[in-house]
Amino acid sequence: GQQVMQIPQYQHVQEGEDFTTYCNSSTTLSNIQWYKQRPGGHPVFLIQLVKSGEVKKQKRLTFQFGEAKKNSSLHITATQTTDVGTYFCAGLGSDATNKLIFGTGTLLAVQP
Amino acid sequence: DGGITQSPKYLFRKEGQNVTLSCEQNLNHDAMYWYRQDPGQGLRLIYYSQIVNDFQKGDIAEGYSVSREKKESFPLTVTSAQKNPTAFYLCASVRQGTAGNSPLHFGNGTRLTVT
Repeated sequence: GQQVMQIPQYQHVQEGEDFTTYCNSSTTLSNIQWYKQRPGGHPVFLIQLVKSGEVKKQKRLTFQFGEAKKNSSLHITATQTTDVGTYFCAGLGSDATNKLIFGTGTLLAVQP
Repeated sequence: DGGITQSPKYLFRKEGQNVTLSCEQNLNHDAMYWYRQDPGQGLRLIYYSQIVNDFQKGDIAEGYSVSREKKESFPLTVTSAQKNPTAFYLCASVRQGTAGNSPLHFGNGTRLTVT
């Protein structure tokens, strides 16, 4: 079945350093969503990417969707302590099941 | 303010007891979802409902049951048949369409501990 893997599982950075998390699907995706979950909180929607090769930016966050629509990345420039949390990707399968599969998440820790 | 309310935030139960987790939304969303989150794992879909009086099993429905008698409410019952019920449970809804085509709006979650 469809699987969505995310790496790394955990990343610890100094404040001001950059951070990237990668999401890889075993099958082609219709689209991909990204969510952020603060410690003790619930996931909050960040963005959705639909087109092959799409790149979207939200302030210091840059999201990319691969050309083959099987991978995606989230890059944070100059991390801040407010960026702490777990970042999840969620891929929508392009097959008839139309299932949204969440990645395992990347926990980001930022040291001031 | 519109949103999704899950109660209680923390729930403790003895093994063998059924327990019902509440989820109420005032967003006027049609589709509602229940996810389970375990440490180090992504969210896994338990049940979902796209319309009142209709619901579908997700990937890990065994040991769980739901009802959707009202648009606003989608309670989840964790039965004694669920072998490993201790987890963080998240209820969500989408404004239109389905999860994946539209953003999921999540409640604050209920952390269930069964001993």
